[in-house]
Amino acid sequence: GAGVSQSPRYKVAKRGQDVALRCDPISGHVSLFWYQQALGQGPEFLTYFQNEAQLDKSGLPSDRFFAERPEGSVSTLKIQRTQQEDSAVYLCASSLTEAFNEKLFFGSGTQLSVL
Amino acid sequence: AQTVTQSQPEMSVQEAETVTLSCTYDTSENNYYLFWYKQPPSRQMILVIRQEAYKQQNATENRFSVNFQKAAKSFSLKISDSQLGDTAMYFCAFMKQFNTGNQFYFGTGTSLTVIP
Repeated sequence: GAGVSQSPRYKVAKRGQDVALRCDPISGHVSLFWYQQALGQGPEFLTYFQNEAQLDKSGLPSDRFFAERPEGSVSTLKIQRTQQEDSAVYLCASSLTEAFNEKLFFGSGTQLSVL
Repeated sequence: AQTVTQSQPEMSVQEAETVTLSCTYDTSENNYYLFWYKQPPSRQMILVIRQEAYKQQNATENRFSVNFQKAAKSFSLKISDSQLGDTAMYFCAFMKQFNTGNQFYFGTGTSLTVIP
């Protein structure tokens, strides 16, 4: 595709609900990142995929957070039993390769509000 | 650990004037990249400019330039001839490479308003 696409753009969930956020990276991009951006803060790293392999999940805040990229393209971030502190914008980004000088392209994010 | 500090939460500038956004970072690494990203209300992070730590020459992209002071760990962004479309959040970011991939660290952002 032309850019990184994320859906839904907005998601409202009741506390305790499960949610799934989708990311469509640029076609052919090997690397995919998920970030969490709380209100008034910069993005914070959640997890990283190289193709279908999840190489780093050190930023996932709890075991309620789970991410997958089964075929090395589309990725889903799942949050189980959502809590109010999960309210944030979730950004996805991709790059063509894992090379050090590779540019990172971001989507417009999913704004999650947990009531 | 890597940290990125942006000490100016908000700034404003008159249209056509010049403004400088500050950023400092802390790292023990020798090779890394530094970036400035712009985030308009659409939320999409847009790359403004980037600088490799090994390059002494300051990066320039049209109206945007940086002042990279490696010893001082400072990386400021200068926007010349400010335009209304420059109004956005600006994030400074640091990137290093781990054996598991590249890792980005972002500052808390500076909200820039260009006043007509």
